[in-house]
Amino acid sequence: KQEVTQIPAALSVPEGENLVLNCSFTDSAIYNLQWFRQDPGKGLTSLLLIQSSQREQTSGRLNASLDKSSGRSTLYIAASQPGDSATYLCAVSGNQFYFGTGTSLTVIP
Amino acid sequence: GAVVSQHPSWVICKSGTSVKIECRSLDFQATTMFWYRQFPKQSLMLMATSNEGSKATYEQGVEKDKFLINHASLTLSTLTVTSAHPEDSSFYICSASPEAKNIQYFGAGTRLSVL
Repeated sequence: KQEVTQIPAALSVPEGENLVLNCSFTDSAIYNLQWFRQDPGKGLTSLLLIQSSQREQTSGRLNASLDKSSGRSTLYIAASQPGDSATYLCAVSGNQFYFGTGTSLTVIP
Repeated sequence: GAVVSQHPSWVICKSGTSVKIECRSLDFQATTMFWYRQFPKQSLMLMATSNEGSKATYEQGVEKDKFLINHASLTLSTLTVTSAHPEDSSFYICSASPEAKNIQYFGAGTRLSVL
């Protein structure tokens, strides 16, 4: 069974800092990997989708990479802002969707 | 982009009553819809997968008689929490997947509080 782990579980950084969130998965047979953002009490907002044949995707200050062979993905956030504070979830799509445990990010003004 | 509407966004009900949550794909046909449950500070747990016109497939440990899922059309799936109890209080999220695509589009979620 696919297992998805995110490290760290929580992260607190000062505003303006660049940061990296990590996601690892145990089964490399995936179709794609998605990064989501979830604000407290809210649903999921899709940030980036990386197909299994791709290495990275970029959107604004966000860059996500995928190394399928090693079972790893990273989400890079440049010049962090207080509005980036949220929980970030990664999910891999195989036979079904598997979600990671999430990283709770706090950006301190 | 693809939009999934989930309604209601928040519901409070008395113990013993039933609650229906709707999940609609607004601009695409969803052959498969998924229902997730999320406990506070935890990740999403898949409850069941439903395909249009057929019975839902429930994950291990999920009571199919308590969580009734109906996928009557290519744009609508419903989750009914029957005889709700306080332990059913949770955040429920649906997602929808277009045919032959391994992508899920998520609804905004429903917060259920059972008194």
